[in-house]
Amino acid sequence: AQSVAQPEDQVNVAEGNPLTVKCTYSVSGNPYLFWYVQYPNRGLQFLLKYITGDNLVKGSYGFEAEFNKSQTSFHLKKPSALVSDSALYFCAVRDNTGRRALTFGSGTRLQVQP
Amino acid sequence: DVKVTQSSRYLVKRTGEKVFLECVQDMDHENMFWYRQDPGLGLRLIYFSYDVKMKEKGDIPEGYSVSREKKERFSLILESASTNQTSMYLCASSLAEYSNEKLFFGSGTQLSVL
Repeated sequence: AQSVAQPEDQVNVAEGNPLTVKCTYSVSGNPYLFWYVQYPNRGLQFLLKYITGDNLVKGSYGFEAEFNKSQTSFHLKKPSALVSDSALYFCAVRDNTGRRALTFGSGTRLQVQP
Repeated sequence: DVKVTQSSRYLVKRTGEKVFLECVQDMDHENMFWYRQDPGLGLRLIYFSYDVKMKEKGDIPEGYSVSREKKERFSLILESASTNQTSMYLCASSLAEYSNEKLFFGSGTQLSVL
């Protein structure tokens, strides 16, 4: 079975400061890892993914994520937060052998204060 | 751009009613998914389909069924709606390419069962 944990319901950060949204995962094979974002009153959008290769993955809107196999983590980061980054962020995973569908975490609400 | 269209944005039904949620995608995607989104629980997979007339149970299939008679359309059916099925329902689609889990989501259907 595959699972994802997002330990923080909400993350608050001041505009211009770096942000981190945490994610840890559990899979039986090699993981495929993803971040999705849900802006208010809009559908979920793909941000970035890790399949293989470089542990640091760059995505849309200046976001990046670091895959750490030993810690089974895939934290989302951005060097300088914008107020417009305020949204609900979901981490998702599946392994490379199991069912062809993603398992999502519970979500983390990011609030960026001006 | 890929478009995933869900037939209703808001729906109010009574307990015991049979409810149909429709989803149509216009990019010839093989995979289609139904998730429900609840606060604090994130997205949970109900059913998915990777081909016409094919379906697989997700994590919470009880009380639901699905139909995929055409490639572009994936229907979710609540056989006898109950109050605990009040939720936001999200449809998504993706290509069959094995490592490409870039899901395209619809805007969601907020279902209230009274």
